[in-house]
Amino acid sequence: SQQGEEDPQALSIQEGENATMNCSYKTSINNLQWYRQNSGRGLVHLILIRSNEREKHSGRLRVTLDTSKKSSSLLITASRAADTASYFCATDKVGGGSYIPTFGRGTSLIVHP
Amino acid sequence: SQTIHQWPATLVQPVGSPLSLECTVEGTSNPNLYWYRQAAGRGLQLLFYSVGIGQISSEVPQNLSASRPQDRQFILSSKKLLLSDSGFYLCAWSVGGQGDSDTQYFGPGTRLTVL
Repeated sequence: SQQGEEDPQALSIQEGENATMNCSYKTSINNLQWYRQNSGRGLVHLILIRSNEREKHSGRLRVTLDTSKKSSSLLITASRAADTASYFCATDKVGGGSYIPTFGRGTSLIVHP
Repeated sequence: SQTIHQWPATLVQPVGSPLSLECTVEGTSNPNLYWYRQAAGRGLQLLFYSVGIGQISSEVPQNLSASRPQDRQFILSSKKLLLSDSGFYLCAWSVGGQGDSDTQYFGPGTRLTVL
């Protein structure tokens, strides 16, 4: 099965800096989603970008998708200590009758106040 | 609005004991339901998913099983727990009837420790 892999595995920055995380996947997708997970909690959906979209914004989040390189990036601008969390990308399978997402191992982001 | 519940929140069980984790969704009908396991510092491993009552698909063969006795209830079970079953178990739902992708909504999770 295809899988999104996030890079880097861990990222440590100062408050106010930008954080960039990348996701690579193996086969064609319908869309790609980014989720956030605070320690010991469930995942929260951040943003979905479809295969025919190249860039999407939501507040301080900017997601890009390059289907030719099979990669996506999540940029968090002007980071805050509250952004400290793990971030996961999830990709689906092209076609099929059900949504079966595949998650990567995540990027652990620490924002120092 | 829709909500998803999981219980218990934490569980410590001896090796060889049975397991039953429950997940319920409120505020929606005919959802797709999912069980994931997350090992410490790792990604999510999809265990089971269900598109309707009594319809269960297994992604990874193991000593766990899942059941969906009601539309909005999803249960994860084991007859005999192994040490390797320790982890963080997450239930999720998405809008049913969608042929392709949709947002998943996760429960708060159950932390299972097998000793």
